Formats: sequence, C-alpha cells, structure tokens
Amino acid sequence: EAQVTQNPRYLITVTGKKLTVTCSQNMNHEYMSWYRQDPGLGLRQIYYSMNVEVTDKGDVPEGYKVSRKEKRNFPLILESPSPNQTSLYFCASKVGDGEAFFGQGTRLTVV
Amino acid sequence: SQQGEEDPQALSIQEGENATMNCSYKTSINNLQWYRQNSGRGLVHLILIRSNEREKHSGRLRVTLDTSKKSSSLLITASRAADTASYFCATATTTSGTYKYIFGTGTRLKVLA
Repeated sequence: EAQVTQNPRYLITVTGKKLTVTCSQNMNHEYMSWYRQDPGLGLRQIYYSMNVEVTDKGDVPEGYKVSRKEKRNFPLILESPSPNQTSLYFCASKVGDGEAFFGQGTRLTVV
Repeated sequence: SQQGEEDPQALSIQEGENATMNCSYKTSINNLQWYRQNSGRGLVHLILIRSNEREKHSGRLRVTLDTSKKSSSLLITASRAADTASYFCATATTTSGTYKYIFGTGTRLKVLA
C-alpha cells in the first residue's frame, strides 16, 4: 500500500529537549516536504527536499533542521524545541507536479 | 508568505445545497490542486487543474481556474453531511529555478443534515 508514515503521532516534550519526527514513504517519490498546521494559518512549509541530499527552506524554517540521506526518509529535527513550536506537523511526498501524499500527522506539544 | 488564500474561511450549508469555495494566489503557477482534510487528519487529494485548463470535473466536484485573475473555485454539488471538512488549495510554482508547493489557509465547510 502506498503510504507516508510519520512517527510519533503524538508527542509531549519539554523546552530544550532535542527531538526527531520521522517520515518515510514507500512510493519512490523524489519530493518530500514538512508542514506545520496552526489554527487560522493553514499549512506552512518548513523545509522541502527535491531529492537525496537536496534540501531547501520553506516559509518557516527557523528552529528546525532536516536531512535527506536516502530517498524514502525525511526526518524533521528540533534541536531545542520551544513552546511556539507546539503544532500539528505533516510530512508529504510527491512526484513531479502530481498530487501530494500526506502522513497522518504528528501532534507536538512543547511545555 | 501564503501563496493561496481561500475564502470564505468558514461555510455552513444545508445538506443538498451546493458549496463554493474560492482560492486566490499571487504568482504564476504550474498547476493548482484541491485537498480535503477531516479534522486533524492528513490531507487527501481531490483534483488537479493545470495552468492551461479552465475547468475540470470529478464526480460532484467542479473546479475552475482563471489565471488572469489568479483565482480558482471549488464547487461541491448536492452536498452531504460527510462532506464536512476543511478544504485547501495548493499551488505548484517554479520561480528562479526554485520549486514551491504552497497551501492556502483553508475553508472549513460544515454541512448540516
């Protein structure tokens, strides 16, 4: 089954404690992206990757890091999480100009 | 900055009525896509319209695109309670060699039974 898998689905953490949200896709898609969703703001792009070892900033990259060492995985790293990073996070992948496939989301709370 | 802005932000209609949502964007696009999101879940693709197309249909969905006005509309006909969800437009653009895939702020649709 074609899918994008994010883990964990829910996470509560404390300010400053490094965390990683994993994202994996099994469709051999070149393009992968991370978004955060906040009430009234829609989905804002954090980082995206056009292919292995190629990443670029989206609209809200501050406080986040990503890596793309292999095609299927695109982890999102918060080196020192802060409460303003409390949000619902989505990973997505796509090929070319086609439709994006989304993971089920990770609800992160930073206290 | 948001490429797509949907309006209205929220829409409440009776079952059986039609629902129309609009999306405006700022730059030239490769294509525009509409997605649906059920509360807090991942987005699901509905329909894609290319920049050289003006109208597209899929079941009860009708999408139009006006590139001169940089706007698109999504029409859901004969709405059902199960259509209750948030709807987002997304634009694919290539600017100065950089590919962007940007979502709008969404329209929350509530269909009353």
